[in-house]
Amino acid sequence: GAVVSQHPSWVICKSGTSVKIECRSLDFQATTMFWYRQFPKQSLMLMATSNEGSKATYEQGVEKDKFLINHASLTLSTLTVTSAHPEDSSFYICSADGDAETQYFGPGTRLLVL
Amino acid sequence: SQELEQSPQSLIVQEGKNLTINCTSSKTLYGLYWYKQKYGEGLIFLMMLQKGGEEKSHEKITAKLDEKKQQSSLHITASQPSHAGIYLCGATPPGGYQKVTFGTGTKLQVIP
Repeated sequence: GAVVSQHPSWVICKSGTSVKIECRSLDFQATTMFWYRQFPKQSLMLMATSNEGSKATYEQGVEKDKFLINHASLTLSTLTVTSAHPEDSSFYICSADGDAETQYFGPGTRLLVL
Repeated sequence: SQELEQSPQSLIVQEGKNLTINCTSSKTLYGLYWYKQKYGEGLIFLMMLQKGGEEKSHEKITAKLDEKKQQSSLHITASQPSHAGIYLCGATPPGGYQKVTFGTGTKLQVIP
């Protein structure tokens, strides 16, 4: 089946630094990728839709200048958390639409901001 | 916006017992997904339902979508410790756009 990878799988950074998370579709092309965020003991919350070759679409309440998304190719989308703060610590998951019925999720990236 | 409520929030069952998880939508469901997640890990796709009254099974897991397409259930027969995890239902809007809104989640523990 289709595989989506994320890198890194976990990252610890100091407050004020920026962190880049990569999401790759390994064996298929994805025009659209999605970024989700999950807090402990909570469900996934969609942050933004990443469209190849165009600007990302952000969900209400998500700061686009804080969470920069770039979808430079059909197999790669990146999420950059700029000037990270402890409240940005979370589990970030991406997904890619592989076919009409299934969306494939990456394994997630755990971010801890100290 | 569409809201998905899952029940129960958590469930502890003895190995071998059957169980059901429900997912209720505030709006008509056009695409309903069931995923399993071990916390801190990615999501495992289980099943996708689209038609009212549709039922799908995979191994010991059966998912149904009601005729009105506002409620779905996930049934596990003869549960095993490997079934433990968080079960999430998710819905997509009409038009084939794959943005998924997730339910509140159900945490399942299976006691050997």
